[in-house]
Amino acid sequence: DAKTTQPNSMESNEEEPVHLPCNHSTISGTDYIHWYRQLPSQGPEYVIHGLTSNVNNRMASLAIAEDRKSSTLILHRATLRDAAVYYCILQSGNTPLVFGKGTRLSVIA
Amino acid sequence: DAGVTQSPTHLIKTRGQQVTLRCSPKSGHDTVSWYQQALGQGPQFIFQYYEEEERQRGNFPDRFSGHQFPNYSSELNVNALLLGDSALYLCASSSGLVGETQYFGPGTRLLVL
Repeated sequence: DAKTTQPNSMESNEEEPVHLPCNHSTISGTDYIHWYRQLPSQGPEYVIHGLTSNVNNRMASLAIAEDRKSSTLILHRATLRDAAVYYCILQSGNTPLVFGKGTRLSVIA
Repeated sequence: DAGVTQSPTHLIKTRGQQVTLRCSPKSGHDTVSWYQQALGQGPQFIFQYYEEEERQRGNFPDRFSGHQFPNYSSELNVNALLLGDSALYLCASSSGLVGETQYFGPGTRLLVL
């Protein structure tokens, strides 16, 4: 079973920032927090990952709570192409990715 | 640089038949993982191959088997197909390092009638 909890769906207006939450209260010290997204009719796509500190890349930012029991994926300006299912996943070592149902993000023009 | 490629893109089989799906990893990657994604669900891990050996396996029956070749490409075989095997089958490759990103292919959509 997935060790993370995410809302089933969220909606955003185009050009607005989006904050996608994820709870992982049972996270262990060696767990990395990964975010993947899956666009319609495609395989999952890596977005970002982190361990303890906040992370930024060209796609998004990852804000990790100080106690690491929750995190937030931030899309700074949502576009229609960001409409997808977003998965928050904990991974330790070489264990396989365990996907939950993710959050379905809808972007309104 | 080609990403992860899978073939075929779509496949229709009947119950009891056998199917083979193929995956070529991203250049430089030596680890291949296979996932099954039923409609409306997240992908479920089937197994992972590294150095031509099955390294980890998820909760799937022995009807699901695989192989990795010296060039790191991989096959997923499913015997005695059931209606419930209808799904999107995803291949992901990585370098096998701890916490390394996995790169997914577009998947093969299998329909079992």
